[in-house]
Amino acid sequence: QLVLTQSPSASASLGASVKLTCTLSSGHSNYAIAWHQQQPEKGPRYLMKLNSDGSHSKGDGISDRFSGSSSGAERYLTISSLQSEDEADYYCQTWGTGIQVFGGGTRLTVL
Amino acid sequence: EVQLLESGGGLVQRGGSLRLSCAASGFTFSNYAMSWVRQAPGKGLEWVSAITAGGLYTYYAESMKGRFTISRDNSKNTLFLQMNSLRAEDTAVYYCAKDVDGSQFDYWGQGTLVTVSS
Repeated sequence: QLVLTQSPSASASLGASVKLTCTLSSGHSNYAIAWHQQQPEKGPRYLMKLNSDGSHSKGDGISDRFSGSSSGAERYLTISSLQSEDEADYYCQTWGTGIQVFGGGTRLTVL
Repeated sequence: EVQLLESGGGLVQRGGSLRLSCAASGFTFSNYAMSWVRQAPGKGLEWVSAITAGGLYTYYAESMKGRFTISRDNSKNTLFLQMNSLRAEDTAVYYCAKDVDGSQFDYWGQGTLVTVSS
């Protein structure tokens, strides 16, 4: 079964960097994922597509402070030089034939 | 500029029906698959349904099969979601999303709230 696992919460200081993790279920370690950001009281926003080899393509207007990387079944989103507006929920998404799957989301707090 | 504008949400009684719409602009609507995704209050994102670019194929999450119907009118650049036999647990904000050929969603609407009263 295709499942994505995310830690419920993370925190980091203003100006620092943070690395969020999304883990693919067993047997799906070669799947690409997408990262989405959802700021409070807003709709989601597409950040990037992240492939199993770590290559990624970002959405329109996404800052260079956002980057992605991969290792095995883990997919990472790194946000550098944290700003207050980065405080948000971050969701990973993957897909199969006729199905879309979301991780449970990570709430990022900027201290 | 890609824009997705949902409408049709509101308050409905348990067992009732509602039809959501999503008006698309800024891209060639008929070239892209589309999806509906929902978010219950205080919860995460849940995929609901998808439809291919030409409307030939539709897909549903298990809990929505038989109750929800996705459709599209490519002449009017509009996506629909017909929801029947609504339950309290269907209460959520419903988003439409542009689908990159069955893979990632690259644009989202602002959402429309559906509240099912028991």
